[in-house]
Amino acid sequence: DAKTTQPPSMDCAEGRAANLPCNHSTISGNEYVYWYRQIHSQGPQYIIHGLKNNETNEMASLIITEDRKSSTLILPHATLRDTAVYYCIVRPSRLGRAAGNKLTFGGGTRVLVKP
Amino acid sequence: DTGVSQNPRHKITKRGQNVTFRCDPISEHNRLYWYRQTLGQGPEFLTYFQNEAQLEKSRLLSDRFSAERPKGSFSTLEIQRTEQGDSAMYLCASESGTSSLEQYFGPGTRLTVT
Repeated sequence: DAKTTQPPSMDCAEGRAANLPCNHSTISGNEYVYWYRQIHSQGPQYIIHGLKNNETNEMASLIITEDRKSSTLILPHATLRDTAVYYCIVRPSRLGRAAGNKLTFGGGTRVLVKP
Repeated sequence: DTGVSQNPRHKITKRGQNVTFRCDPISEHNRLYWYRQTLGQGPEFLTYFQNEAQLEKSRLLSDRFSAERPKGSFSTLEIQRTEQGDSAMYLCASESGTSSLEQYFGPGTRLTVT
C-alpha cells in the first residue's frame, strides 16, 4: 500500500476550520484515501474516504488533488472535541473479495483545538 | 459507541502468564481485524478473519500469539507466556466487506505486563 506523509502536529482555534494535509505521491489508481481519527484512549474512528472526487459528510470534507498525490481533510468548525490524532491512509478497494483490507497507520497528525 | 465491544478493557498480568482477549464485532460484519498499538505509535495490523477463516497474519504475530473466530462471530486473541514487550493496546475492528469498507473499532484492551 502507498505510504502517506503528514505533519506531526498542528494547532487550531475553536470555531475555525482545520485543514489537515496529507501527501501520498505513490498512490495507485485503485487506492482510496481514508481518514481516521483517534481521540485519547479510544479506538480509531472512521471519518471519510474518497477515490478522486471531493467528498463531504457530516463530519468533514475531503479534497483530493487532480493528480491524486495529495489530499486535505477539512473540519469546517473545529470544536474542543475534535482534539485527536488524525490518520491519512491509502488502501485498495477489495469489496466483496476475500483479500483483507488492513489499515496501515502512519504517525498521523496530532491536532490540538484551542479555545 | 461503534457497536464493537472488547473485554476486558484493562488487563494487568505478570510476565510469563497467559492472557486472552475477546472481541464482539458488529453482528452482520463478516470481516474482523486485530491491531496492536504501543504508546505514541499508530495501530499495527496483527491478523484478519473473513468469517471463521484466518486469512492473513502479520509477522508481528509471533508463535506466542493465537487468534480464533470459531463461528464467524466473536473472536479471541490469546498471548501465551507474556513478555513486557507485549504491553500495548489491543484493538479489534469489524468491517462489512460486502457493502462498505469502513472499519469500526472497539475501545481496545490495554494490556500491562509487569
